Amino acid sequence: EADIYQTPRYLVIGTGKKITLECSQTMGHDKMYWYQQDPGMELHLIHYSYGVNSTEKGDLSSESTVSRIRTEHFPLTLESARPSHTSQYLCASSAQGSYNEQFFGPGTRLTVL
Amino acid sequence: AQSVTQPDIHITVSEGASLELRCNYSYGATPYLFWYVQSPGQGLQLLLKYFSGDTLVQGIKGFEAEFKRSQSSFNLRKPSVHWSDAAEYFCAVGVNAGKSTFGDGTTLTVKP
Repeated sequence: EADIYQTPRYLVIGTGKKITLECSQTMGHDKMYWYQQDPGMELHLIHYSYGVNSTEKGDLSSESTVSRIRTEHFPLTLESARPSHTSQYLCASSAQGSYNEQFFGPGTRLTVL
Repeated sequence: AQSVTQPDIHITVSEGASLELRCNYSYGATPYLFWYVQSPGQGLQLLLKYFSGDTLVQGIKGFEAEFKRSQSSFNLRKPSVHWSDAAEYFCAVGVNAGKSTFGDGTTLTVKP
């Protein structure tokens, strides 16, 4: 079944730890995105990718980094987590073309103590 | 620059009542418009989209939206709300290169 997956769904971690949030999609989409969303708030684009080996920063500055080595996989890494990184992180993908709708994963809720 | 405004932060309606969520956009070219719904603790799900053609579009879960170019609006409607419709609703405009600009969202509460 075509879908987009995020793991873990919930993560509680201490300050200074390195973390990687996983995102995978089985739809063969070229474009993938990472959004940061605080509870009840708007979405902020932090990273996006047009395809393999293509990544760019989004509208909201983020200390995280991403990689796109395979079409289906778009992990996000924080080298040293801080309490200010506490948020929900949503991954999405869309098909080739400029104006297609985005398909979202269920999100990862990150809490940094 | 493109922008999306959802004037209502929070709306409360009674179950069975009709619903209209407002969305206004600013975009220089022909807009590609979307409505998404987000249930608590979940990602966003597409309700409907407008690219061209008929200005009244039908979506999933009984929702519809009407594109009005003269008013730069794309309001979401449902004739009879169910308790399961309680969620956060986001309007978005597709901009070039595959990205979208999202509104701030409207929280819908449904009273029994």
